[in-house]
Amino acid sequence: QKEVEQDPGPLSVPEGAIVSLNCTYSNSAFQYFMWYRQYSRKGPELLMYTYSSGNKEDGRFTAQVDKSSKYISLFIRDSQPSDSATYLCAMSDQAGTALIFGKGTTLSVSS
Amino acid sequence: SQTIHQWPATLVQPVGSPLSLECTVEGTSNPNLYWYRQAAGRGLQLLFYSVGIGQISSEVPQNLSASRPQDRQFILSSKKLLLSDSGFYLCAWSGARGYQETQYFGPGTRLLVL
Repeated sequence: QKEVEQDPGPLSVPEGAIVSLNCTYSNSAFQYFMWYRQYSRKGPELLMYTYSSGNKEDGRFTAQVDKSSKYISLFIRDSQPSDSATYLCAMSDQAGTALIFGKGTTLSVSS
Repeated sequence: SQTIHQWPATLVQPVGSPLSLECTVEGTSNPNLYWYRQAAGRGLQLLFYSVGIGQISSEVPQNLSASRPQDRQFILSSKKLLLSDSGFYLCAWSGARGYQETQYFGPGTRLLVL
């Protein structure tokens, strides 16, 4: 079983839709969770960071962590064509150590 | 603010040729530095990380090597490239003190080995 599982998609939605992106993981020691957005041929950029369980909101983006289910989510409200990118989840058990990444979900938002 | 640079942006090299990719970070001191490779359909693979000058940890045995000659400089090298070395190489940094858990990526180098 891989440490981090992420549905690669592609996921296609119309502009204005609510998007839900998810990752599951197997290591119960993970406590730092991140979402990165990567545009084509660019480096990933940090979108959201969450420590331990709970929700975090930043504008149209909401990150959720459910450690009991080993499940994390990223919600995008009022999706825009500019949100079209690959979204990578990442996590680690200790600060300053290597991150474990999902393979990424490709999202396409059509206008 | 901190910035991370990588060069070259794109590289086309013949099989068997050497490789040198460079990464530098500005605006921070004593960062942790990382080299990743991203191949289509395989996600991000950690290759090397460094917690200080001259300190390199290898995650995947292969024909690549890394060096950290200065605090904010990280170099990825190979003596002889293989076809399988093609990919998108990303350098990242994280803070040595506080917020170590988040990593920030450079723009990447796209390498094609022919």
